[in-house]
Amino acid sequence: QKEVEQNSGPLSVPEGAIASLNCTYSDRGSQSFFWYRQYSGKSPELIMFIYSNGDKEDGRFTAQLNKASQYVSLLIRDSQPSDSATYLCAVKGAGSYQLTFGKGTKLSVIP
Amino acid sequence: DAGVIQSPRHEVTEMGQEVTLRCKPISGHDYLFWYRQTMMRGLELLIYFNNNVPIDDSGMPEDRFSAKMPNASFSTLKIQPSEPRDSAVYFCASREQGGQPQHFGDGTRLSIL
Repeated sequence: QKEVEQNSGPLSVPEGAIASLNCTYSDRGSQSFFWYRQYSGKSPELIMFIYSNGDKEDGRFTAQLNKASQYVSLLIRDSQPSDSATYLCAVKGAGSYQLTFGKGTKLSVIP
Repeated sequence: DAGVIQSPRHEVTEMGQEVTLRCKPISGHDYLFWYRQTMMRGLELLIYFNNNVPIDDSGMPEDRFSAKMPNASFSTLKIQPSEPRDSAVYFCASREQGGQPQHFGDGTRLSIL
């Protein structure tokens, strides 16, 4: 069974610091990787996706992918209290149209 | 553009009753997904459709659950009879062809008493 693992947290960081969120996956054939942010009581919202090994940057967010290690991470620079949310890692396998989600990491940015 | 629209937003009903959740995907999206989210199990895929046809329903927990997509703009998820352990937030999501990410609706918070 395909699995996506995340540390449930909570991860607490001070305002302005870098938050580092990590995710590992079991299916070596996985091809696409997504990070969703979910505020309490709200729906998941896509913030980043990455397909190739290496880094992808979008504003304060950087997604990092290492397929050999089956590891994907999300860095949030200059963390703000508004970044406090649960971050879900999702993985799409080869030839599949469905996503497998991790249970999420709860991030708390302390002012 | 309107996003994925789900109704109702909240549903409270008694055990044994039939529950019907509704979803309108984003216009032009070929794929529709139904998820269930609980604290214990996280976000789980129940079923997904492509061009109104169910493709994978292996996540549907029991025969009490059924889903239909009679046309490209409407889908239902039905639970009959409902049980307290069905209490969860149910999300609908849709996406286009070609590897695009999924977009989620606001969800239905279901409580079975």
